[in-house]
Amino acid sequence: DTAVSQTPKYLVTQMGNDKSIKCEQNLGHDTMYWYKQDSKKFLKIMFSYNNKELIINETVPNRFSPKSPDKAHLNLHINSLELGDSAVYFCASSQGGQANYGYTFGSGTRLTVV
Amino acid sequence: AQSVTQLDSQVPVFEEAPVELRCNYSSSVSVYLFWYVQYPNQGLQLLLKYLSGSTLVKGINGFEAEFNKSQTSFHLRKPSVHISDTAEYFCAVKLGGYSTLTFGKGTMLLVSP
Repeated sequence: DTAVSQTPKYLVTQMGNDKSIKCEQNLGHDTMYWYKQDSKKFLKIMFSYNNKELIINETVPNRFSPKSPDKAHLNLHINSLELGDSAVYFCASSQGGQANYGYTFGSGTRLTVV
Repeated sequence: AQSVTQLDSQVPVFEEAPVELRCNYSSSVSVYLFWYVQYPNQGLQLLLKYLSGSTLVKGINGFEAEFNKSQTSFHLRKPSVHISDTAEYFCAVKLGGYSTLTFGKGTMLLVSP
């Protein structure tokens, strides 16, 4: 029944490693997003995909690479992890960028880089 | 570009007291406004939204918000809070088209007995 699911929920890894976070939505939405929430709880958009096409790419290091194999999935791969990448990463989805709906969020992935 | 300001980082209140969480936005065009709640170690849940029409919007869990265009505000209110309302509350703004949700920095509502 989960609408937007992210895996894993927790991820602890060493600096320099490469890791991926997966996101899937079963709402039939055509637009998906990645947000980063820092230690002060500030939420910042990273990427937005509509029907598997990248439409928004904020100022994010190119060590972060999103991939959308289909419109129900949006994965986030991070290369050469740094301490500053430690944060909670949220996936979200919505129906159409043109529609003025709120987003449905996943429960987040807490990434800790040591 | 649009922006959102939540003036209070933390609002302490006693149980059954009323509460108002403030949100102001900045945009040169019409916006759509949202309030989200984040309980500890959870994702964000939509409380309510203003798209158009009546400026008083009612949401879940007894919350409501009023859109004030002249004041560029969208304050969140609840007449009587419960301990279970303790959470982080985020105001967010969106323009039309493929623009994304822009969030304020959040307000932590702390309800004590």
